[in-house]
Amino acid sequence: QVTLKESGPVLVEPTETLTLTCTVSGFSLSNTRMGVSWIRQPPGKALEWLAHIFSNDEKSCSTSLRSRLTISKDTSKSQVVLTMTNMDPVDTATYYCARKLKGEGGFDYWGQGTLVTVSS
Amino acid sequence: DIQMTQSPSTLSASVGDRVTITCRASQSISSWLAWYQQKPGKAPKFLIYKASSLESGVPSRFSGSGSGTEFTLTISSLQPDDFATYYCQQYNSYPWAFGQGTKVEIK
Repeated sequence: QVTLKESGPVLVEPTETLTLTCTVSGFSLSNTRMGVSWIRQPPGKALEWLAHIFSNDEKSCSTSLRSRLTISKDTSKSQVVLTMTNMDPVDTATYYCARKLKGEGGFDYWGQGTLVTVSS
Repeated sequence: DIQMTQSPSTLSASVGDRVTITCRASQSISSWLAWYQQKPGKAPKFLIYKASSLESGVPSRFSGSGSGTEFTLTISSLQPDDFATYYCQQYNSYPWAFGQGTKVEIK
């Protein structure tokens, strides 16, 4: 069955770089049309799309966060990695990874999410 | 960037009510719209894609409609399990974007 699981630090200090890993199973990141996004949700607030990567290495990311975000994948490890530089307390949120196939559908499978708190 | 605006922000309803949530895009997104349901402390659940196609396993009381810039999610007869927050999301063009959410609460 398809699963995604986020991992990374629960606490980061302001100005640090956050690195989150999404480990997937039940599908291959090398399969045509496969893609994974990172999405975050500050406490009590709405979902915010951050970045996406497809199997062919096509990437895109949020306009407002472009200078701080990098998304990459390691197909052999079934992992998608998000790095976000210069973390600030406003970046405190639950970070989700989610699968989206190229084409018609939306985010059909989601990880459980990981809460990242930015504080000194 | 395309902005997604949902209305209302909060909706109070009773079990058995017909409920409609609206999502508007700041420019045309054709039918490239998805809907999600989220309960507190949980990841969103995928409901509808391409504006009106029901994801497998989603109850038929959920339906979606619209194209261009205006879309609706309708729950034909609200059930206790449906009290949650609902989000629309456009995937017509990058950057993809979510609406701000509509919370459906018990009246």
